[in-house]
Amino acid sequence: AAGVIQSPRHLIKEKRETATLKCYPIPRHDTVYWYQQGPGQDPQFLISFYEKMQSDKGSIPDRFSAQQFSDYHSELNMSSLELGDSALYFCASSLGTTPGETQYFGPGTRLLVL
Amino acid sequence: AQKITQTQPGMFVQEKEAVTLDCTYDTSDQSYGLFWYKQPSSGEMIFLIYQGSYDEQNATEGRYSLNFQKARKSANLVISASQLGDSAMYFCAMGETGGFKTIFGAGTRLFVKA
Repeated sequence: AAGVIQSPRHLIKEKRETATLKCYPIPRHDTVYWYQQGPGQDPQFLISFYEKMQSDKGSIPDRFSAQQFSDYHSELNMSSLELGDSALYFCASSLGTTPGETQYFGPGTRLLVL
Repeated sequence: AQKITQTQPGMFVQEKEAVTLDCTYDTSDQSYGLFWYKQPSSGEMIFLIYQGSYDEQNATEGRYSLNFQKARKSANLVISASQLGDSAMYFCAMGETGGFKTIFGAGTRLFVKA
């Protein structure tokens, strides 16, 4: 079965640079979520999109922005990168938003900011 | 505010034995979903099991079962017949009905001994 695809899988950037992470949800899934997981931490919700509109916002810095496109893929744009942005970034997708709709996670993008 | 508490930072279990990972939650919502995810050292987040707040029966998925006690606000994960491949970090998570945000507990690292 098709899973959530994230690209790139690994990314190395320097401070103050920008980065764009991409997420391709499971086919027919209409909701995309972004999470940030720092070393030894639990995943922290950043932002979500339902039917191409922002649906909820968590602890996403103002330097970050995201959107969901007409084909339901999503991109997380990160600017003025800081050392503390080094983390594993997960995208997850689901069909709908009831509690019965499980979020399936992608493999993650490991970002290292030097 | 919603909160997930996992009080066991680490657990050891002998291969082939059963183990219970604790999870308590706090929410004022009447309708919510509870999830368990497994995160191996490779980093991916693997969905294990789901329990809806209105489900009267405990969820089961193969060797995984969820001991749901709504009045006590607990959703413990039971893994039967532990295998070496079960060694991983396990996260308990909660989502609200119609909401888009999922919050995670701090996780429990399970070590399975041969």
